[in-house]
Amino acid sequence: GAVVSQHPSRVICKSGTSVKIECRSLDFQATTMFWYRQFPKQSLMLMATSNEGSKATYEQGVEKDKFLINHASLTLSTLTVTSAHPEDSSFYICSAQLSGGAARELFFGEGSRLTVL
Amino acid sequence: QKEVEQDPGPLSVPEGAIVSLNCTYSNSAFQYFMWYRQYSRKGPELLMYTYSSGNKEDGRFTAQVDKSSKYISLFIRDSQPSDSATYLCAMGRTGNQFYFGTGTSLTVIP
Repeated sequence: GAVVSQHPSRVICKSGTSVKIECRSLDFQATTMFWYRQFPKQSLMLMATSNEGSKATYEQGVEKDKFLINHASLTLSTLTVTSAHPEDSSFYICSAQLSGGAARELFFGEGSRLTVL
Repeated sequence: QKEVEQDPGPLSVPEGAIVSLNCTYSNSAFQYFMWYRQYSRKGPELLMYTYSSGNKEDGRFTAQVDKSSKYISLFIRDSQPSDSATYLCAMGRTGNQFYFGTGTSLTVIP
């Protein structure tokens, strides 16, 4: 299957700092990428939909000024957690959807575990 | 009513057993159906993708979609300890909106 790379896999930061997480589709172009948050033993919570070259669409309740999403190319989307606080500690996962055709497979990155001290 | 319902388990089976995982959904417009396997602290891995109704087989895994009943299943034959993970169903319709089940936690006991 297609490969989605997410970096870093683990990050620890101090409260008040900003953290950037990258999501790359390595062997395909992805017009659309998604960012999720997952709490322990819970399913994926969609945070935002990121479309290449346009502003991200955020889900209700997700602060767009806190979770900055940039999708500058067909293979890269970034999530920046600004002024992180301990309650932002979570597992963040990105996914990418194959562009074009009828296929709608969704491929996920390995996830990034953020710990805010 | 949730778009997708999935029993969270946990499900525990002996090695070699046949495992049946299921999801129900409410939106008849769903056309794409996927099953993911997620190991602890890892991203979900796509196992099976099915478009519309029918069966699809890949090795020990078989995915079934019954659109008339709004019911999808994933069967795992000859289950192995390495199959121990959380299994997520996902589905979508035209466009790029996907809906996920809560995941079923599976443990295969050696």
